[in-house]
Amino acid sequence: AQTVTQSQPEMSVQEAETVTLSCTYDTSESDYYLFWYKQPPSRQMILVIRQEAYKQQNATENRFSVNFQKAAKSFSLKISDSQLGDAAMYFCAYRTSFTGANSKLTFGKGITLSVRP
Amino acid sequence: DTGVSQNPRHKITKRGQNVTFRCDPISEHNRLYWYRQTLGQGPEFLTYFQNEAQLEKSRLLSDRFSAERPKGSFSTLEIQRTEQGDSAMYLCASSSGLWGTDTQYFGPGTRLTVL
Repeated sequence: AQTVTQSQPEMSVQEAETVTLSCTYDTSESDYYLFWYKQPPSRQMILVIRQEAYKQQNATENRFSVNFQKAAKSFSLKISDSQLGDAAMYFCAYRTSFTGANSKLTFGKGITLSVRP
Repeated sequence: DTGVSQNPRHKITKRGQNVTFRCDPISEHNRLYWYRQTLGQGPEFLTYFQNEAQLEKSRLLSDRFSAERPKGSFSTLEIQRTEQGDSAMYLCASSSGLWGTDTQYFGPGTRLTVL
């Protein structure tokens, strides 16, 4: 079974600074997808960024980028130029890429990010 | 495209009562998922539908839980004889089922409190 570990329960960043959120995972599969989801307080979860394991290039979405280290099974999220609206709980998630399989997400415990003005 | 909606947003019930939640996925999404999220934890998978067929159930889904998706549209999750341990946020997500672009979109959740 796949597992996702987010060992930092909380992090804080100064507005306009850069912060990196860590995630490790365990799987015996060679192809899969990794995701970072954002869950603002009392609001619904939204996708921040996704990474296909077969792609060597790290995904980037505006101020958000990942550092995907497949051999180390590490998948960190970097937020540049942090904004007050980035304050939220962030979840790392894993999904198999097997065709026809249940594409359920396996989530980590999440990390609460606060942004200081 | 109005996104995934869930009703009610909040439900308070007494132990032993039955409750039912509804999820309306994004139209034309044929995959629908239910997750449960307890305080300070990440969502945990409960069950999955492809169209109207329930294809997988987690061991977390005891026999007091039942889910349906009639006609492959909206879905309901029923909990019978609720227990205090059922208190959680119940999240619904849907996806198009197009492999490789199968992003799951989440609803706002139903927060259940069992007294």
